[in-house]
Amino acid sequence: GAVVSQHPSWVICKSGTSVKIECRSLDFQATTMFWYRQFPKQSLMLMATSNEGSKATYEQGVEKDKFLINHASLTLSTLTVTSAHPEDSSFYICSAITGYTYNEQFFGPGTRLTVL
Amino acid sequence: AQTVTQSQPEMSVQEAETVTLSCTYDTSESDYYLFWYKQPPSRQMILVIRQEAYKQQNATENRFSVNFQKAAKSFSLKISDSQLGDAAMYFCACYTGNQFYFGTGTSLTVIP
Repeated sequence: GAVVSQHPSWVICKSGTSVKIECRSLDFQATTMFWYRQFPKQSLMLMATSNEGSKATYEQGVEKDKFLINHASLTLSTLTVTSAHPEDSSFYICSAITGYTYNEQFFGPGTRLTVL
Repeated sequence: AQTVTQSQPEMSVQEAETVTLSCTYDTSESDYYLFWYKQPPSRQMILVIRQEAYKQQNATENRFSVNFQKAAKSFSLKISDSQLGDAAMYFCACYTGNQFYFGTGTSLTVIP
């Protein structure tokens, strides 16, 4: 099956620093990647949808200047949390869909961000 | 707007018994897909089962099956012969318009 990786799996940073999270599709080309945020014991909240080579589409209420998304290639999307603050601490999950199984998304293992 | 509702925040089942998780959805689209995902403590999302809305036959994957009632917009998941490894959060999801919509989840406990 299709595999999606995320790096790092866990990051702790000081308030005010920026953190980059990578999402890679390892054995397929991802036409679209999604970024989700998940708080403890809650559902996934879609932050943005990114298509290779174009600007990401952000959901209402998500600050595009704070959560920078770059989908530079068909196998890599990055989420940069700029000037992170403690309230940005959360679990971030990416997923990807292919041009063949567009109705099935493959999830990464997630990244736990803790901002001190 | 598309919505997915899971009315059972928590469920429990005895090992080897059967449990049904409820899900209702609302969409104005005619073309959509429905999913059940499992999220164990590792937090890796795992696809359990998928149903195409245009198919009348209920999807089945080993011990997992769905009861898809299109007119009622209901999509419940039945887990038969429950195992300890089935303990997890279960999310119902609807895909339409190039976007996935998730329910709030049901936490399933399996009692030995």
